[in-house]
Parts: sequence; C-alpha cells; structure tokens
Amino acid sequence: IAGITQAPTSQILAAGRRMTLRCTQDMRHNAMYWYRQDLGLGLRLIHYSNTAGTTGKGEVPDGYSVSRANTDDFPLTLASAVPSQTSVYFCASSDSGDGGELFFGEGSRLTVL
Amino acid sequence: GQNIDQPTEMTATEGAIVQINCTYQTSGFNGLFWYQQHAGEAPTFLSYNVLDGLEEKGRFSSFLSRSKGYSYLLLKELQMKDSASYLCAVKDSNYQLIWGAGTKLIIKP
Repeated sequence: IAGITQAPTSQILAAGRRMTLRCTQDMRHNAMYWYRQDLGLGLRLIHYSNTAGTTGKGEVPDGYSVSRANTDDFPLTLASAVPSQTSVYFCASSDSGDGGELFFGEGSRLTVL
Repeated sequence: GQNIDQPTEMTATEGAIVQINCTYQTSGFNGLFWYQQHAGEAPTFLSYNVLDGLEEKGRFSSFLSRSKGYSYLLLKELQMKDSASYLCAVKDSNYQLIWGAGTKLIIKP
C-alpha cells in the first residue's frame, strides 16, 4: 500500500544520545514535513522540504536537523536529545510545497529520559 | 500572533448531529483544512475550504466565513467510529499550516 513509513514507531532514549527518525514515502510527493504533537497543543512544524535538495526551518527547529538527499527519504535527527523532546513525531508529505492535502505517517513516539 | 481556537472536547449521541467550531486569526489566509485523528493514529484529511460557503462530503460538511475568521465541521448521523479528535488548520500568507489543538469528540450510545 502506497504511503509514508516511519521508523521506529516507539523509542525510549537517554538524554544526550543522538537519534534519527526515519521517514520514507513512495508517492513521489515533492514536499515533506516533520511535525511534533504534544498534548494540548496543535501540531508544530519542525522542518520541511519543498523538494529534494532543499530544506527549511519550521516553528520549532532548535535541536533538530533534517536532510533531503532524494525525493523519498526525509530523516529527522536529534543531535543530543533532551527531555523536552519527548513527543509524538509525525512525518507528512504533500504533492505541492504550498500546503496542499497532507498525508501523514503513523507517527514515532519518542521518550527522552 | 497567529491563533486557532477550537473547543477542547465535545460529547454527542450516536445518530445525532454535531457542529465543531473553529475560529482563527492568522497573517493572511490561503485555505482551511479539517483533519480527523483517531487516538494513537495519524491525522487523515477530511475537507478543504478556500471560498466562503458550505462544502458537503457525505455525512461531513465544512463551512467557511473568511470575513468572520470562522469555520465549522458538521457531522451528521453520528456513528461510534466518529469518536476521534478533529483538527482545524489554516494556511497562512506564507502557505504554512497553523494548527489548532484539536477537538476531542466523544460519541455515546
């Protein structure tokens, strides 16, 4: 089934460790996004990429980095995890970079202790 | 600042109709989305409004008034599977999506 795959689905991580959340889509969408979702808050954009080879900062980029080497993959890296990065992370894609309908992955639940 | 307001939680009865409101204050407007999110799952697209008026899609309808900064999602003939959170999101002048915190809808038999 076409869509977006995220890995891992769940992870417990010690503070200070490096972690990469993987995201792969097979819909050939140009734009990809990383959001975090915290209780009582709306989805917050971390980083985005409008096309392969380009990335941009969202609302809450600090402590996170991304790369977009090709159309399909958009990994999110936490260089040195902190407890405030405990959250559910969603990767999403859309056909265009101007914010069309988003297709979401199933999410990665990250706990930083 | 930019703000999206929606009720935190609503309760309705199976078979009834419920209206979930969303008000927004954003820098520019390029469309409003509604997404459904079941607990522990990913959000899924429900509707998109960019012009004033009502968009109907089966049991779900979405309304937009740009002059009032207001939208609602109307769910008819409620089913137990409609128990979920409903997320309102507005595309601002930079085409970035601003998300509300979501409305948790509880359906009772």
